[in-house]
Amino acid sequence: QKEVEQDPGPLSVPEGAIVSLNCTYSNSAFQYFMWYRQYSRKGPELLMYTYSSGNKEDGRFTAQVDKSSKYISLFIRDSQPSDSATYLCAMSPNTGGFKTIFGAGTRLFVKA
Amino acid sequence: DTGVSQNPRHKITKRGQNVTFRCDPISEHNRLYWYRQTLGQGPEFLTYFQNEAQLEKSRLLSDRFSAERPKGSFSTLEIQRTEQGDSAMYLCASSLPGGSEKLFFGSGTQLSVL
Repeated sequence: QKEVEQDPGPLSVPEGAIVSLNCTYSNSAFQYFMWYRQYSRKGPELLMYTYSSGNKEDGRFTAQVDKSSKYISLFIRDSQPSDSATYLCAMSPNTGGFKTIFGAGTRLFVKA
Repeated sequence: DTGVSQNPRHKITKRGQNVTFRCDPISEHNRLYWYRQTLGQGPEFLTYFQNEAQLEKSRLLSDRFSAERPKGSFSTLEIQRTEQGDSAMYLCASSLPGGSEKLFFGSGTQLSVL
């Protein structure tokens, strides 16, 4: 079993829809939770960063962490075609990016 | 600040050849990481530098792989005697000093071993 599980999709939604992306994990030591967006043939770009449990909002994006269920989510409101990309969840037990574990990524397509 | 720069963007080589990739991190970042990403997978950690010191290496990094960061600025990743299984995107990332999970990635080097 992988430490971080993420449904690879693809997920296809119409423009304007609310998108929900999720990951589960098994290592209770994870304290830092991130979401990266990766466009085709590009490196990942950090979208959201959360420490421990709770919600964090940034514009159209909301990240949620439920440590009791070992479950994290990313919500995208009013999705746009430009949001079409692969979304990678990532998590780390402590400071130091070398311990960051990535999910496999979910491919999202937003249709105009 | 132009972000993390990686060269070349693409490399095609024949099995058994040696290849070298270069990464220039964001200038004020003293931490530098190499990751490998295959199709349909997330990035997998290879190795990590703090300044010029290589502090961590993954078991994925066989003895055919070597990484250097001689002056604590740019880094190189060399793969000797390449194998078809080495075909992947090699990503470099950097982060701020003082501990950070916020990784800034380059666009990667896509390696194809024929």
